[in-house]
Amino acid sequence: NAGVTQTPKFQVLKTGQSMTLQCAQDMNHNSMYWYRQDPGMGLRLIYYSASEGTTDKGEVPNGYNVSRLNKREFSLRLESAAPSQTSVYFCASLSPASGSSYNEQFFGPGTRLTVL
Amino acid sequence: RKEVEQDPGPFNVPEGATVAFNCTYSNSASQSFFWYRQDCRKEPKLLMSVYSSGNEDGRFTAQLNRASQYISLLIRDSKLSDSATYLCVVNRGGATNKLIFGTGTLLAVQP
Repeated sequence: NAGVTQTPKFQVLKTGQSMTLQCAQDMNHNSMYWYRQDPGMGLRLIYYSASEGTTDKGEVPNGYNVSRLNKREFSLRLESAAPSQTSVYFCASLSPASGSSYNEQFFGPGTRLTVL
Repeated sequence: RKEVEQDPGPFNVPEGATVAFNCTYSNSASQSFFWYRQDCRKEPKLLMSVYSSGNEDGRFTAQLNRASQYISLLIRDSKLSDSATYLCVVNRGGATNKLIFGTGTLLAVQP
């Protein structure tokens, strides 16, 4: 299993450009998430999808849109990039709880985005 | 006040030392608790879940105090390879399963 994959790994954009970050998981998880991580701020939730066909805003959704294309794929789109969106973006999926075990979140390797 | 608070560190300790990290959370309805490890420029990975009775995995011991809304991680006999950022994570539970991350505590184990 590849787990959670993300593309691209690195990206440089100019202010106003658009792009889509791709994420896919092969673990058959229902829930998927997009986070951004900035120094001193920790991981902040942008959007999440509890199941195929549903998406909800997280803590910092402004400037982003998402699509849950199918159970495997959850993409994040920046329509008009701004320097404040320079960050590391992580996609994650959540395993279901099993017996006495809690559910576990699995992360992709991240996309390092710079907006000039 | 942040929902999950951690001392950012850094904690600089010699090899072989015992080090403890603390974390507090403000939402009393939180249902599950975790410690994640994040290496420099890498994604977070689950280190261990934290159960009400406390749990141990080798050199690592995690404890939960629901009454005080407090979580701890103890690392014994520190190794150079333990150097990383340790993230305290709380799951609010419910249908959405939102995980709330602390900002992390940086550990540097010195030779």
